[in-house]
This record gives sequence, structure tokens and C-alpha cells, in this order.
Amino acid sequence: DAGVIQSPRHEVTEMGQEVTLRCKPISGHDYLFWYRQTMMRGLELLIYFNNNVPIDDSGMPEDRFSAKMPNASFSTLKIQPSEPRDSAVYFCASSAGRFIGYTFGSGTRLTVV
Amino acid sequence: TQLLEQSPQFLSIQEGENLTVYCNSSSVFSSLQWYRQEPGEGPVLLVTVVTGGEVKKLKRLTFQFGDARKDSSLHITAAQPGDTGLYLCAGAWEYGNKLVFGAGTILRVKS
Repeated sequence: DAGVIQSPRHEVTEMGQEVTLRCKPISGHDYLFWYRQTMMRGLELLIYFNNNVPIDDSGMPEDRFSAKMPNASFSTLKIQPSEPRDSAVYFCASSAGRFIGYTFGSGTRLTVV
Repeated sequence: TQLLEQSPQFLSIQEGENLTVYCNSSSVFSSLQWYRQEPGEGPVLLVTVVTGGEVKKLKRLTFQFGDARKDSSLHITAAQPGDTGLYLCAGAWEYGNKLVFGAGTILRVKS
């Protein structure tokens, strides 16, 4: 298996622009997670899905952030409009079940200028 | 305030030395996981512990889950430069499948 695939690896955008991050989980994993990592706050869970259904979105910072999982093999995280404080590394991870470890993607480094 | 407190925050040692990293919380977790992260990559799972008092060994790495399931430790014997990285502990509660991460310990092993 190719692992969790994220795209793009790097994104530089101007404040106010829409940004879409993409994730392909490992086939057969029924949990998908979006995390954000910064030096100041570490790894923060934004939202997670189980069988394509959002289960917990309490970590989504505000209405500017939205996530979808239209099918078992694809998810997006969208920021509209983007702000400089959104600059971070965004990770997608998938898992085959509870208490089973996560497999993380390589992340998308987002810079909003 | 982090739910999971890791110590030390940074550790720089010579090749061949032993070290221990700690992960503490006031919460009880159903499971605790340790990950290692290298620059530019996502965290990679090292181990999952689920039973209070459990000890797991992975070559030179020994993981322990506290009896009360509130804390854990990672001990590395005879550290090597390849052990360099960010070590993260993460806890999960009984319900759901959500992991909360500690801030991490940055380990640097010098040759």
C-alpha cells in the first residue's frame, strides 16, 4: 500500500484566498483524521470521520474551515478565506479501528502571506 | 495547557547513552501510543499500550504504561544517531477514536 497520500506537499497563498488540501487514506481504513501542527500548539485534532461521516469537529477553529469526505478514498480540508495565522503543517491520518495506531501522511505545509 | 505533559522537552546525548522520556497526565486513558517524527514527515507509530502496568519492548526501546493508566515512559538503551527525532505520546479515551498528543520530546543523538 502506498500509505496515506496528501497533496499538495507545499502551498503558499495570499491572505483571503481559498485553500483546499487533499487526502487519500489507506484502503480499508474506516477512520480519517485531520490534524494541524505548529511549534506553539503542537499537534491539534481538527476533525475526524468514521465511515465517511464526521464524528467530532470540535477542533475546527472557526467557520472558515470545512472538511468533507465524499467517499472512502478521498477527503478535503478547505480554508476560505485563509489568514496568516492558518500557516501550519496539516496532516491527514487514517486508522483501521479503535486503539489501532494511526498512519499519517507526509503533510501539507501551508504558508499564508 | 497540554493534557499530556512530556518531559524533557529537549534532550541531547552522545551515542551509546541511555535515556528515558516521560509522558504524564491527570486523565485516565484507555490506550496510549508513542510516535516518532522526523523533519518533513508525519509521525510514525512505535507502539500501543492498553493495559495498566504493561511493558513492551521493541529492540532497544522499552515502553511502560503506568498502573493507573495516566502516565507512560519510553526508555532507549544505547542510543544511536538514527534515534534522533521528535517523540510524541498520544492518549485515547474509552469512547470514540480520538487521540490527543503531547507536545513532544526532541531527541538528538550525537555520534
